[in-house]
Amino acid sequence: NAGVTQTPKFQVLKTGQSMTLQCAQDMNHNSMYWYRQDPGMGLRLIYYSASEGTTDKGEVPNGYNVSRLNKREFSLRLESAAPSQTSVYFCASGGMNTDTQYFGPGTRLTVL
Amino acid sequence: QKEVEQDPGPLSVPEGAIVSLNCTYSNSAFQYFMWYRQYSRKGPELLMYTYSSGNKEDGRFTAQVDKSSKYISLFIRDSQPSDSATYLCAMSGTTDSWGKLQFGAGTQVVVTP
Repeated sequence: NAGVTQTPKFQVLKTGQSMTLQCAQDMNHNSMYWYRQDPGMGLRLIYYSASEGTTDKGEVPNGYNVSRLNKREFSLRLESAAPSQTSVYFCASGGMNTDTQYFGPGTRLTVL
Repeated sequence: QKEVEQDPGPLSVPEGAIVSLNCTYSNSAFQYFMWYRQYSRKGPELLMYTYSSGNKEDGRFTAQVDKSSKYISLFIRDSQPSDSATYLCAMSGTTDSWGKLQFGAGTQVVVTP
């Protein structure tokens, strides 16, 4: 099992460009999450999906949109990237114990 | 004030020493407590999971939860250089936060040979 996979691993964007971060899990988990990690701030929840067909805002949703494509896949879209969105983005999926989460390797995004 | 506070370190210890990490929190409704380990440029990996108060031991790792003091701890015995990483505490369980973890900022640990 690959667990949680994310693409791309690295990305550089110019201000105003758009992009989609892809996430897939093969653990048959219902819940999936997108976080961003910034120095000194820890992990902050952007959006989550408790089950296929549902999505909800987290702590820092502004500037992002998500799509739960199916049970396996959960994508994060930046419509018009800003330098403040420079961060490391992690996707996670929820395990059998509701609050345990398993993380992907991350995407390092730089917005110039 | 953040809901979860964690000293960022770095915490430097010699190989073989006991590493002691802790987090404090303000929300008394938290009942699920986790520790994640994150190596440099990698995703966090679940290390320990505890429900409510008490101790849990797994090999060299011991997690403690003191809900009365709103304080959780992680101890690493016989520390190894491979334990050098950032350790994140996380918690949840409030009635309106199903599945939404609150993370500490992480403590960087360096184990020197």
